[in-house]
Amino acid sequence: DADVTQTPRNRITKTGKRIMLECSQTKGHDRMYWYRQDPGLGLRLIYYSFDVKDINKGEISDGYSVSRQAQAKFSLSLESAIPNQTALYFCATSDPDGTGDYEQYFGPGTRLTVT
Amino acid sequence: AQKVTQAQTEISVVEKEDVTLDCVYETRDTTYYLFWYKQPPSGELVFLIRRNSFDEQNEISGRYSWNFQKSTSSFNFTITASQVVDSAVYFCALRLRGGADGLTFGKGTHLIIQP
Repeated sequence: DADVTQTPRNRITKTGKRIMLECSQTKGHDRMYWYRQDPGLGLRLIYYSFDVKDINKGEISDGYSVSRQAQAKFSLSLESAIPNQTALYFCATSDPDGTGDYEQYFGPGTRLTVT
Repeated sequence: AQKVTQAQTEISVVEKEDVTLDCVYETRDTTYYLFWYKQPPSGELVFLIRRNSFDEQNEISGRYSWNFQKSTSSFNFTITASQVVDSAVYFCALRLRGGADGLTFGKGTHLIIQP
């Protein structure tokens, strides 16, 4: 089973709708991240969370909100979806080992289309 | 703020040719980590390599090799004897020690290997 899962994997929604993307992990990591990928722009950080009580904005947080329901779950919400939020969304987790050297583990991605 | 530049938007070569993907980074920190990821057409991110700023040794893994040069702030990736299965988008990324802000990605290079 995958260590980092995202649901749904694909979603088509209409402008103005509220939508939630969910991320779950079984790695026991404290840190979780949401990234957005647009063609030709690479991945950009939306939000990140160091633990359930610590949530931080990333580079492009406008139009998004997040919820860290538990150590293993980190959800991304679009309160009122707009077409330019059409993108591929990735969740990631990490767990620092104290030396500064650690991996980020990515989920499989959620492809969101806003019409 | 840190920055990663992948100047090659798209590269097309014929199978069995060698190809080098360029990555130039900017950071004021002395401790940092560099990554390469592969994104095949299926969309998932596949981790290829991590290199810390204190280790300038080149690395070879099968047909893949990486050349890290701090003097030019570059971390280039070479595929030897390319194969059609190497066709993908390749991302270079940077993380600072502690990684509070997650990864900073380049915009990616789309590599097309023609049979």
